Amino acid sequence: GEDVEQSLFLSVREGDSSVINCTYTDSSSTYLYWYKQEPGAGLQLLTYIFSNMDMKQDQRLTVLLNKKDKHLSLRIADTQTGDSAIYFCAARAGTASKLTFGTGTRLQVTL
Amino acid sequence: GAVVSQHPSWVICKSGTSVKIECRSLDFQATTMFWYRQFPKQSLMLMATSNEGSKATYEQGVEKDKFLINHASLTLSTLTVTSAHPEDSSFYICSAADDGREKLFFGSGTQLSVL
Repeated sequence: GEDVEQSLFLSVREGDSSVINCTYTDSSSTYLYWYKQEPGAGLQLLTYIFSNMDMKQDQRLTVLLNKKDKHLSLRIADTQTGDSAIYFCAARAGTASKLTFGTGTRLQVTL
Repeated sequence: GAVVSQHPSWVICKSGTSVKIECRSLDFQATTMFWYRQFPKQSLMLMATSNEGSKATYEQGVEKDKFLINHASLTLSTLTVTSAHPEDSSFYICSAADDGREKLFFGSGTQLSVL
């Protein structure tokens, strides 16, 4: 089955860019997602990318996909303290397939 | 984005009692909803897929008689934890797919504590 991996922790200074990385194993994954979870809350869909795309940008967020290496990254420009949270990447093979989550990356933004 | 409402946000119950958690899609119809469980500082584990008008599909290792799922309408799915025990204490989150099924939106989660 699908296995999705992320680094556990990232610390950045306010105003810097954050890059959160994710790798997945199933080459048939067609939808790749980034979610944000704040303490005690549900998951907020930040963005998602289809596998035929290399990049997607949405305001401060940039998603890069290297399909050959099965590597996904989320770049947050001008990181703010409000960006402190856990970020999950997730993958699924199609709209009828279940979503497999990564382990989550805790982003800490320092002043 | 679409809104998924989950209720209650937290519940404390005695061991042996049953607890019902509701998941509603507020501004879209969801033929499919998903129920996840999350342990502290861990990722989300899919428990079951809830299909409107039919039986839920459970993941391996999830007891269907323990975690009863009902998806009676296109906007409501419920998860009932029957005869809850302390080991059932966890954070439960539901999600629903929009019409195109590309986006999955999540509820705010329910923290269940069984004493």
